[in-house]
Amino acid sequence: AQSVTQLDSQVPVFEEAPVELRCNYSSSVSVYLFWYVQYPNQGLQLLLKYLSGSTLVKGINGFEAEFNKSQTSFHLRKPSVHISDTAEYFCAVSDTGGFKTIFGAGTRLFVKA
Amino acid sequence: SQTIHQWPATLVQPVGSPLSLECTVEGTSNPNLYWYRQAAGRGLQLLFYSVGIGQISSEVPQNLSASRPQDRQFILSSKKLLLSDSGFYLCVGGGGFSYEQYFGPGTRLTVT
Repeated sequence: AQSVTQLDSQVPVFEEAPVELRCNYSSSVSVYLFWYVQYPNQGLQLLLKYLSGSTLVKGINGFEAEFNKSQTSFHLRKPSVHISDTAEYFCAVSDTGGFKTIFGAGTRLFVKA
Repeated sequence: SQTIHQWPATLVQPVGSPLSLECTVEGTSNPNLYWYRQAAGRGLQLLFYSVGIGQISSEVPQNLSASRPQDRQFILSSKKLLLSDSGFYLCVGGGGFSYEQYFGPGTRLTVT
């Protein structure tokens, strides 16, 4: 069975500082990996995804993530955050059949001025 | 891309009453459809998924059931609500080549 662990429930950071949100997964089969973002009072939207190819994936709003198969990780990074990045971020894993997507518990990123 | 319509936005129901939440999909045919429950600090819990009309897979045994009477319609039901059924329910569509999932606006259910 697949599972996703987001290692930090909350990450406070100052504006313009770098940030890394950690995600580890477990699966016995090949997977696709995703990061979704939920801004306050809004629905979830896709931030970026890894299906194949380059292990460094770039998404919207300056975010990127790196797939590390040996460490079964898919950490999300941004070199300089803005107040508007304050949101909850969800890591997700899908089997390559695409039938089921399992989500992590979420990491709340709080950017302070 | 898909657009997921979900209603109502909020619902307050007494314990023991029935439940019916409806979700419809626009912009695609034969989508995979999912019901998730979102709880603070616990992420999204997959409740049911369906890959076609009449096909339902249950992930978590509980007081709820799901049905898919039409290709683009997905319904979450209960015969008798429990207090523990309170939560935020999301209908989600997926299954395209992008493997992306599309989220409905959600229903906040409070069982009193």
